[in-house]
Amino acid sequence: EAQVTQNPRYLITVTGKKLTVTCSQNMNHEYMSWYRQDPGLGLRQIYYSMNVEVTDKGDVPEGYKVSRKEKRNFPLILESPSPNQTSLYFCASSSSGQATDTQYFGPGTRLTVL
Amino acid sequence: GDSVTQMEGPVTLSEEAFLTINCTYTATGYPSLFWYVQYPGEGLQLLLKATKADDKGSNKGFEATYRKETTSFHLEKGSVQVSDSAVYFCALNDFGNEKLTFGTGTRLTIIP
Repeated sequence: EAQVTQNPRYLITVTGKKLTVTCSQNMNHEYMSWYRQDPGLGLRQIYYSMNVEVTDKGDVPEGYKVSRKEKRNFPLILESPSPNQTSLYFCASSSSGQATDTQYFGPGTRLTVL
Repeated sequence: GDSVTQMEGPVTLSEEAFLTINCTYTATGYPSLFWYVQYPGEGLQLLLKATKADDKGSNKGFEATYRKETTSFHLEKGSVQVSDSAVYFCALNDFGNEKLTFGTGTRLTIIP
């Protein structure tokens, strides 16, 4: 089954404790992206990747890192989480990142930073 | 920059009612337009899309037409069901932007 998977689905952590949220897709997609969803703000892009070893900032990259060492994986790293990073995070992928492409979303990771 | 404005929610309708959720956009280029749906506890799923002016996207009884002259992409369904209860997001992807720009979402509740 074609899908985007994320782990963990739920995470509660404390300020300053480094964490990684994994994302994997099995559709051989070139493009992957991370979004965060906050009430009243919709989804906003954090980082994206057009291909292996190619990443770029989205609209809200502060406090996050990403890497794209393999085509299928695109982990999101929070080196020193803070309470304002409490949010619902979605990973997405599409075949090439073109404007007409459909982006496929993972099930989401709900992160709480205390 | 690009932006999407969609109807404020929440919206509550009775089963079999007619649904319209308004969406208008601002874009510097010629974007593709999307409606995504988020069911409780799940990720976003594509509901429908349109990539050029006057295109009509349709799926599961939902429809939306790309209106360039009014910069709109309103979502409609003739007869809603309880299973349509979800949050609906209008979004655009403008050429060269490498991202989806989302509206704030509209929560729809259908009562039997």
